[in-house]
Amino acid sequence: AQSVTQLGSHVSVSEGALVLLRCNYSSSVPPYLFWYVQYPNQGLQLLLKYTSAATLVKGINGFEAEFKKSETSFHLTKPSAHMIDAAEYFCAVSLKEGSNFGNEKLTFGTGTRLTIIP
Amino acid sequence: DAGITQSPRHKVTETGTPVTLRCHQTENHRYMYWYRQDPGHGLRLIHYSYGVKDTDKGEVSDGYSVSRSKTEDFLLTLESATSSQTSVYFCAISESTWLGTGTYNEQFFGPGTRLTVL
Repeated sequence: AQSVTQLGSHVSVSEGALVLLRCNYSSSVPPYLFWYVQYPNQGLQLLLKYTSAATLVKGINGFEAEFKKSETSFHLTKPSAHMIDAAEYFCAVSLKEGSNFGNEKLTFGTGTRLTIIP
Repeated sequence: DAGITQSPRHKVTETGTPVTLRCHQTENHRYMYWYRQDPGHGLRLIHYSYGVKDTDKGEVSDGYSVSRSKTEDFLLTLESATSSQTSVYFCAISESTWLGTGTYNEQFFGPGTRLTVL
């Protein structure tokens, strides 16, 4: 079984400041890891994904995340926050399951709401 | 754009009434999912489907049933709605990507249905 913990349900940063959203995972086998973003009244959009290639993953909108096996972490960062980054962010983990080849179910964290202060 | 639509987008109903939510996709994806999103819980999997007439339960399946009679449609039914089922419901599909050593699934989400049970 796998699980995800997102530290901090709400994070506020000033415009132009560093964004750091924390995600720790638990998994018995090497995982696939994802960050999704949800803008108000919209569905989830994939920001980036780790699939056991490079440990530093770059995504859309200037976000990146680093997979650290020793810390079981996959924190999301952006060097300089913009007002449009205000949204809710979800970390998710998946594992390949049994004989249903290709059906890796996602387990989501509880989300972090990011507020940008002008 | 994975071509996912959900209907209705908003619904208000009364306790005890049946409700059916529809997810429609246009790109012939094999896997489809229903999630519910609640504050403090993130997204939780209700049911998923891995083909026509092939479905399985997720972590919060009690009180819900699903059907998939054709590839493009995945229906979620609340046989007798309760106030605890007030939530935002998201449908998702997944696409498989071959990595050379295996595949991973990337999920794409519909716009959501906001359901209120009075």
